[in-house]
Amino acid sequence: QSVLTQPPSVSGAPGQRVTISCTGSSSNIGAGYDVHWYQQLPGTAPKLLIYGNNNRPSGVPDRFSGSKSGASASLVVTGLQAEDEADYYCQSYDSRLSAVVFGGGTKLTVL
Amino acid sequence: QVQLQESGPGLVKPSGTLSLTCTVSGTVISSSHWWSWVRQPPGKGLEWIGEIYHSGSTKYNPSLKSRVTISVDKSQNQFSLDLRSVTDADTAVYYCATDTPIADWGQGTLVTVSS
Repeated sequence: QSVLTQPPSVSGAPGQRVTISCTGSSSNIGAGYDVHWYQQLPGTAPKLLIYGNNNRPSGVPDRFSGSKSGASASLVVTGLQAEDEADYYCQSYDSRLSAVVFGGGTKLTVL
Repeated sequence: QVQLQESGPGLVKPSGTLSLTCTVSGTVISSSHWWSWVRQPPGKGLEWIGEIYHSGSTKYNPSLKSRVTISVDKSQNQFSLDLRSVTDADTAVYYCATDTPIADWGQGTLVTVSS
């Protein structure tokens, strides 16, 4: 069981908006540690999508956005495209474990 | 652009030691980065194993700490992972990477624990 909780799956039609949640606790997200998001296409290494809660690396479309509130964070994808179908992972740091922690991952399906 | 490449045996016997090396190119390993290992069992999520600074300082996942050693070889621009007493639960794709937030990843290497 992951320290950061994500829904196993979300789905949406092309053009729609989807939200992926990442719920932590007072020892990780709630303690103020940054949340980062990764996109993993099948058979490939993860790719950094959002860093520092709401920042996009160069080259990441502005259809992807991140936010954080309290002990939770969210990744929002707007204008859904077929190429967005992938697994998405949140990541933070946990002070109780003294470890980098990942969410369990969410599979995004484009209908 | 930093590039990372994992190398090592793809098959390890149960109770043996899994050893992987990551070769870094595009930068000198004694730059400001910490250097990480992350693994992903087949069909499952990502798990942080640990990380090392070029000085040799290390941080490990508490769940693996008793079995893991990460080391660095600055002369070869490489860092390595040793995981002892492996079981089939250690079968995974192993990635070497830069530190969090991880902007640069190796392509990953599948290591299977089997007799």
